[in-house]
Amino acid sequence: GAVVSQHPSRVICKSGTSVKIECRSLDFQATTMFWYRQFPKQSLMLMATSNEGSKATYEQGVEKDKFLINHASLTLSTLTVTSAHPEDSSFYICSARFTKGQNTEAFFGQGTRLTVV
Amino acid sequence: KNQVEQSPQSLIILEGKNCTLQCNYTVSPFSNLRWYKQDTGRGPVSLTIMTFSENTKSNGRYTATLDADTKQSSLHITASQLSDSASYICVVTLMYFNKFYFGSGTKLNVKP
Repeated sequence: GAVVSQHPSRVICKSGTSVKIECRSLDFQATTMFWYRQFPKQSLMLMATSNEGSKATYEQGVEKDKFLINHASLTLSTLTVTSAHPEDSSFYICSARFTKGQNTEAFFGQGTRLTVV
Repeated sequence: KNQVEQSPQSLIILEGKNCTLQCNYTVSPFSNLRWYKQDTGRGPVSLTIMTFSENTKSNGRYTATLDADTKQSSLHITASQLSDSASYICVVTLMYFNKFYFGSGTKLNVKP
């Protein structure tokens, strides 16, 4: 299947600093990527939909000024957590939409464990 | 309202036993249904994908079934192994809009 690479896999940062997470589709072009957040023992929660060349669409309750999303190319989307606080500590996962014919599938990155201290 | 519900929420089985996980959905119009396996601290990995016309799809010891009439899917795991311990997530794609609806997952624990 298609490969989505997410980096870094783990990051620890100080409260008040910003952290950037990268999501790359390695062997296909992804016009749409998704960013999720997952708290322990909970399911994935969609934060935003990232569209190449346009502004991201954020889900209700997600602060767009805090979670900056950039999708500058067909293979790269970034999520920047600005002025991070301990409550932002979570597991962040990206996925890229892959369409072949009439089938659409989502391939996920490995996830990023963010810890804000 | 488009929804995906999975059951059970959690399951404990002994190594070597079989188990079946359920997924019921109301997403319509339906494009495809996928089962993912998510190990703790990792991103989900696709196990199977089924379209409207497919009733069953196998991937090794994993067999997924789909009944589009009743809007139900199941994931059957045969001869479970310790490495099967993970969360299993059902995802349904909404046709035309390519929007994904996630189930809350079933956490499977395989014990020796």
